[in-house]
Amino acid sequence: AQSVTQPDIHITVSEGASLELRCNYSYGATPYLFWYVQSPGQGLQLLLKYFSGDTLVQGIKGFEAEFKRSQSSFNLRKPSVHWSDAAEYFCAVAFSGTYKYIFGTGTRLKVLA
Amino acid sequence: ETGVTQSPTHLIKTRGQQVTLRCSSQSGHNTVSWYQQALGQGPQFIFQYYREEENGRGNFPPRFSGLQFPNYSSELNVNALELDDSALYLCASSSFRGPNYGYTFGSGTRLTVV
Repeated sequence: AQSVTQPDIHITVSEGASLELRCNYSYGATPYLFWYVQSPGQGLQLLLKYFSGDTLVQGIKGFEAEFKRSQSSFNLRKPSVHWSDAAEYFCAVAFSGTYKYIFGTGTRLKVLA
Repeated sequence: ETGVTQSPTHLIKTRGQQVTLRCSSQSGHNTVSWYQQALGQGPQFIFQYYREEENGRGNFPPRFSGLQFPNYSSELNVNALELDDSALYLCASSSFRGPNYGYTFGSGTRLTVV
C-alpha cells in the first residue's frame, strides 16, 4: 500500500538554527510530492511541490526540499528558522491518475527563542 | 482572489445525529475534495467532486456523503454520527481534477461528537 512516513513526531530547534524535516514514501513510481504547513486552528498552506525536473525545489517562506529517488525521500529544509515557523508540517504524495493526497502523520516544530 | 471558505468553524453534535458542513471553493476552481483530520493525525481523503459529480472516494462508509453545486460550492453530510467522527474536516479546491498543481485548503470545521 502507498504510504508516507514522517519519522519525527516532534522537533525542537533554536531560532536561527537550521532545520530538516524528513519524509519518506513507499511506492514504485515517482509521485507528485508536496509539503504543507498547518498553524494551530488553521487549514493547510502549500509550501512547495515537486513534479519533475530539478530535484531541489524552492518554496515560500525560505523553505526548500530535495527529492532523492534512490532513498524515496523528500526532505524539507530551511537554513535559519524563525519563531513564526512553529507549526505542524505535513508531507503529502499524489499519483498520476488518482485524485487524492496521501498525507504523513505530521511533524510538530517548536522554535526556542 | 478569494480563498476557500468553510462553515461553520466549530460545532458540537450528539451521537446519532446528522451534520452538514459547507465549503465555498476558491474563485475559478471546479474541483472540491474533503478530508478528515483526526487529532494528531494527517488528513485522510474522504471524496472529491468534479463538476458536480463524485470523482473518487476514500475508505469512508456511505453515511459520509456529499454534494457539489453549479457554483462549485460543496457540502459534506455525515449521518448517524459516531464518537470517532470527531475531527477537523478540511475542504480543498483546485482548478484541476488531479492533484498535480496542489490544492487550496480551507481552515476547516472542527466537529465534536458527544
